[in-house]
Order: sequence, then C-alpha cells, then structure tokens
Amino acid sequence: AQTVTQSQPEMSVQEAETVTLSCTYDTSESDYYLFWYKQPPSRQMILVIRQEAYKQQNATENRFSVNFQKAAKSFSLKISDSQLGDAAMYFCAYRSQFPSAAGNKLTFGGGTRVLVKP
Amino acid sequence: DARVTQTPRHKVTEMGQEVTMRCQPILGHNTVFWYRQTMMQGLELLAYFRNRAPLDDSGMPKDRFSAEMPDATLATLKIQPSEPRDSAVYFCASGLNYGTSSYNSPLHFGNGTRLTVT
Repeated sequence: AQTVTQSQPEMSVQEAETVTLSCTYDTSESDYYLFWYKQPPSRQMILVIRQEAYKQQNATENRFSVNFQKAAKSFSLKISDSQLGDAAMYFCAYRSQFPSAAGNKLTFGGGTRVLVKP
Repeated sequence: DARVTQTPRHKVTEMGQEVTMRCQPILGHNTVFWYRQTMMQGLELLAYFRNRAPLDDSGMPKDRFSAEMPDATLATLKIQPSEPRDSAVYFCASGLNYGTSSYNSPLHFGNGTRLTVT
C-alpha cells in the first residue's frame, strides 16, 4: 500500500516571502499522480497542483510550483510571493495512474498548516 | 461552475441516533468517494463507488456504517447507531474514471459534513 508523509505539521511565512512544504511517499508503482490540495478554514478541499510521474518537468500553477524527485520519492510544494489567502492546511496526495482495484482513490499525507504573517 | 454538493453541512446528534449524510456528485462523474477527516487520523477513505457499484469499503466499520448509491445523482453514508468517536468531518468527492483506461480526472470535493455525536 502507498503511504504519504508530510513531516512539517506547521510552517510560518512572511507575506510576500517563499515557503516550501515537504512531502515524501512510498510506492512500488512506476506510474502515478501526485497532488497538492489546499484546505482553508472554510473546509473546502481545493486542488492546487498536480504532477504526472512520467513527466520530468515540474508542474507550475502561477505562484505554486513543485519539485518532483521521482528517485527520491519526494514531492515538495513551493509557494512564492505568499499572500494572506494562502493560509490553510495543505495536503499532499498520491493516486495510482491505472484504475485496477485502487481506482482513482487518493491517499493523503497528514497535512501541513501554513501561517502567513502580514 | 459544477460542484459536489453535500448535506447537511453540520449535524449534531445524540449517541445511538441514526445519521444520514448525502452527496450529489458532479453530473457525469462516475466515481464517488467518502472520506472522513479527524485531527488524529487525518483523511481516511471509507468507501468508493464506480458506476454506482461499491468497489472498496474496507475503511468503513461495517457494523454501523453503510454507503449506497441509489442512483447516479445521489450517494448516502449512514451511521446507525452513532457513537461519539464518529465525530468528524465527512467528505464526499467525485471524479471520472474510464475503467481500463489510464485516464483519471482529478477528484472534486464537497464542502463536507461536520458531524458531532454527543
């Protein structure tokens, strides 16, 4: 079974600065997807960014970018130019590429709380 | 903007009572997931449906929990009888999965039902 680990329970960043969230995962599969979800106080789970394992290029979405290291099974999220609205819980998640019995279920890490200081 | 709809948003009930949570997946999506979120356990998968058929409910306590999809527009999660340890936020998510195809759409989450059992 796949596992996802986020070793930082909480991270603090100054507004306009950059923060990097860590995520490692364990899998025997070679094809899979990785995601970062944001959960603000409203509780909604919002997809921030996704990465296909077969792609070497790191995904980028505006101020959010990832550093995907497949051999190291590492998938960190960088938030640049942090804004007050970025304050939230961030979850790293894994999904197999092929349906099989796992389907497209997500396996989540424990989350990292991001605090943004004005 | 299509979204997953969950009702109720909040539910407070007494121990021993039956609780029913409902989810309307995004129209056209053929997979539905139920996740439970607690501080201690994080996000846990309870049940998973594809084309209304249950594929994986190994994460669900079978003695008191049941999940169904009466039709493609409604998924339900029932707890009977409820216990204080069931207090959590319950999320429904939906996506599109083409079976043997490698394509899997991202999962879209509802806003969750916060359940408190006293």
